[in-house]
Amino acid sequence: AQTVTQSQPEMSVQEAETVTLSCTYDTSESNYYLFWYKQPPSRQMILVIRQEAYKQQNATENRFSVNFQKAAKSFSLKISDSQLGDTAMYFCAFLDRGSTLGRLYFGRGTQLTVWP
Amino acid sequence: ETGVTQTPRHLVMGMTNKKSLKCEQHLGHNAMYWYKQSAKKPLELMFVYNFKEQTENNSVPSRFSPECPNSSHLFLHLHTLQPEDSALYLCASSPRRDSGDIQYFGAGTRLSVL
Repeated sequence: AQTVTQSQPEMSVQEAETVTLSCTYDTSESNYYLFWYKQPPSRQMILVIRQEAYKQQNATENRFSVNFQKAAKSFSLKISDSQLGDTAMYFCAFLDRGSTLGRLYFGRGTQLTVWP
Repeated sequence: ETGVTQTPRHLVMGMTNKKSLKCEQHLGHNAMYWYKQSAKKPLELMFVYNFKEQTENNSVPSRFSPECPNSSHLFLHLHTLQPEDSALYLCASSPRRDSGDIQYFGAGTRLSVL
């Protein structure tokens, strides 16, 4: 079974600063995807970034980037130039490419608050 | 907006009631999912439909009954629920069930069982 662990239940950062959210996962698979989703107070779960395990290059989407360490099974999210609108619950998720079920495994989430 | 719409946004029901949650996607996707989000627990996959066929039932109690009449609509029929079933129920869709396609989520239905 796959497990995803987010060890930081809550984090806060001042506007314009940089913050890093941690995620580790456990799997015996070698071919998989990793995701970061955000869930603002509106409850809409929105994809932030996706990483394919077979790609060594870390994914980047504007102010969001990841540090993917496959051997260590670590997948952290860095948010640069934090904005008030980044306040949300952030979920790390895992998907096994070899599975035909399409099941996403989620961590418990990290509540990020951005202060002015 | 992600193209996935869930109704109602909030629902309060008694344990003897029967109600249904609705999910509609306008993305042309072929796979749809129901997830349960409880406080302080990871999201739990409940059901998966691929091309209108149920392909996964993640040990969900029979008081939850899904229905997928076509690739754009997904329902979750509820009956004789328990207070511990109170949660946020999220619907998602993806182009296909596998291959790492991104799942797009709705805003959920907040369910309270009294």
